[in-house]
Amino acid sequence: SQWGEENLQALSIQEGEDVTMNCSYKTYTTVVQWYRQKSGKGPAQLILIRSNEREKRSGRLRATLDTSSQSSSLSITGTLATDTAVYFCATDAGTGGYKVVFGSGTRLLVSP
Amino acid sequence: DSGVVQSPRHIIKEKGGRSVLTCIPISGHSNVVWYQQTLGKELKFLIQHYEKVERDKGFLPSRFSVQQFDDYHSEMNMSALELEDSAMYFCASSLRGGNSDYTFGSGTRLLVI
Repeated sequence: SQWGEENLQALSIQEGEDVTMNCSYKTYTTVVQWYRQKSGKGPAQLILIRSNEREKRSGRLRATLDTSSQSSSLSITGTLATDTAVYFCATDAGTGGYKVVFGSGTRLLVSP
Repeated sequence: DSGVVQSPRHIIKEKGGRSVLTCIPISGHSNVVWYQQTLGKELKFLIQHYEKVERDKGFLPSRFSVQQFDDYHSEMNMSALELEDSAMYFCASSLRGGNSDYTFGSGTRLLVI
């Protein structure tokens, strides 16, 4: 498998709380991407972090990448009920961006 | 619609039947990838085409074939459908191979009965 011992499968929090999701991967990758998938929709890319970057921010989102431990995290600050979704991390499995290989995802439920 | 367009949105087929799924990438995107997702779980990589050439194949069953055409739209031909083929099928496109900025379509839900 491409993936290590994965992040929690499901998280349930209250609106306004901060949350961090983790993933670890086994195969070299040039990028780690985080996607969000809402019910009935296709995945939407949230953040793309390259192997030469340690951190990337986008609004309330912050992604980190540790290539030495081959792990990444996605943090969301001040969660909203609309953040309820499944969050996937994905790598390119060493293809240099030619494909995206998804992990099993974390189901996040944010209650108002 | 300026996004990735997939059709049909929903389809029901009998076991042993055939189906064709279509993916129209974002204009100018020549890299198209197909995924299968069952019960909201992980997305399984099926196949990738770049510039009309198959570049990588993953879990695509031999009963399925995928082709990318001159305008870069892609079609998945599915035959001898089995119950376990019931799933959501997503395609995604990016500007070029090696560019990881993928945009996904809304998917096609296939139910085999």
